[in-house]
Amino acid sequence: DAKTTQPNSMESNEEEPVHLPCNHSTISGTDYIHWYRQLPSQGPEYVIHGLTSNVNNRMASLAIAEDRKSSTLILHRATLRDAAVYYCILRGISGGYNKLIFGAGTRLAVHP
Amino acid sequence: DGGITQSPKYLFRKEGQNVTLSCEQNLNHDAMYWYRQDPGQGLRLIYYSQIVNDFQKGDIAEGYSVSREKKESFPLTVTSAQKNPTAFYLCASRSSASGDTTYNEQFFGPGTRLTVL
Repeated sequence: DAKTTQPNSMESNEEEPVHLPCNHSTISGTDYIHWYRQLPSQGPEYVIHGLTSNVNNRMASLAIAEDRKSSTLILHRATLRDAAVYYCILRGISGGYNKLIFGAGTRLAVHP
Repeated sequence: DGGITQSPKYLFRKEGQNVTLSCEQNLNHDAMYWYRQDPGQGLRLIYYSQIVNDFQKGDIAEGYSVSREKKESFPLTVTSAQKNPTAFYLCASRSSASGDTTYNEQFFGPGTRLTVL
């Protein structure tokens, strides 16, 4: 299974942009890149996903490198509610089902 | 509102006892999943089910059992054979309909924190 590498923690100030990096050098051609985030003592929530092209939604943007070996989640204006653990996940097809492989994630702290 | 419910939120168990964690969804999703999360770690897949009356082992199934008798329900039993059961357990579901706009998203419940005394 292809794995992802993320920094353990990052910090940001409120209303500033945040760029959360993720390396996935062993990604296969059929793996989608997903991002989820988890607030303390809650279940993860979906943020965004992509395959090859950059993606935007109401929560964030996802920038994917041309060789697909890395990606960056962009929060355009961080708020205190964005403080969470962010997981970069590769979704592949293994044994006939969609499989999410969670790493340890990046803990984002947002300062007022 | 549609969503996933897990009960109870906190559960305490004596060593050697089996315990069952509830997971219910009203999203009409075919696929359901159980994950385990230890402090400071990511999630690990215990069991998954793609359809009623069918389920498959995930990466850490030893000491756990599941059933999928109804589409809405996917209970997880933590047996006495599980050596380190204290953890945060998360249930998730996903639509299997490729035309569904949320097809690529797993929806997670609020979790059950199990502590073995």
